Amino acid sequence: GAGVSQSPSNKVTEKGKDVELRCDPISGHTALYWYRQSLGQGLEFLIYFQGNSAPDKSGLPSDRFSAERTGGSVSTLTIQRTQQEDSAVYLCASSRGAGNTIYFGEGSWLTVV
Amino acid sequence: AQTVTQSQPEMSVQEAETVTLSCTYDTSESDYYLFWYKQPPSRQMILVIRQEAYKQQNATENRFSVNFQKAAKSFSLKISDSQLGDAAMYFCAYRSADISGTYKYIFGTGTRLKVLA
Repeated sequence: GAGVSQSPSNKVTEKGKDVELRCDPISGHTALYWYRQSLGQGLEFLIYFQGNSAPDKSGLPSDRFSAERTGGSVSTLTIQRTQQEDSAVYLCASSRGAGNTIYFGEGSWLTVV
Repeated sequence: AQTVTQSQPEMSVQEAETVTLSCTYDTSESDYYLFWYKQPPSRQMILVIRQEAYKQQNATENRFSVNFQKAAKSFSLKISDSQLGDAAMYFCAYRSADISGTYKYIFGTGTRLKVLA
């Protein structure tokens, strides 16, 4: 696609429910990143994919968070048993390869009530 | 571990004037990249400018330029002839050049720039 596409753009969920956030990177981009941006905060690194493997998942805050990438393309970030502190904008970015400039999507705004 | 600090939560500038946003970082690496990203209300992060640490010359992109002071670990962004469309959150970011690394970007907490008409 022309840009990084994320869905849903906004999601309101009840505490305790599971949510899935989707990222469709730019076509041909092998590297993919997930970041979290809480209100008034900077961007917090969550996980990095190169192809389908995740050489760095050090930023995932707890075992309730997981991510996968299939076919070297679309990635899904799953948050189980959501908590109010999970409320944030989840940003996805991709690049042609590791070390190239990254391009961001518009993010998925998650609100846990 | 590397850190990026933006000490100005908010800045204001009059339209057509010049403003400088500050960024400092900490690293023990000698080779790395520094970036400024802009995040307008649409939320999409847009790359403004990029600097490679081994290049002494400061990067410039039209009205945007940086003052890169490697020894001081400082990387400020200067916006000349400010326009209303420049109003946004600006994030400073660091990325290692280590090819054995994972290339993750480390971001500061951002500076909100307001442009006054």
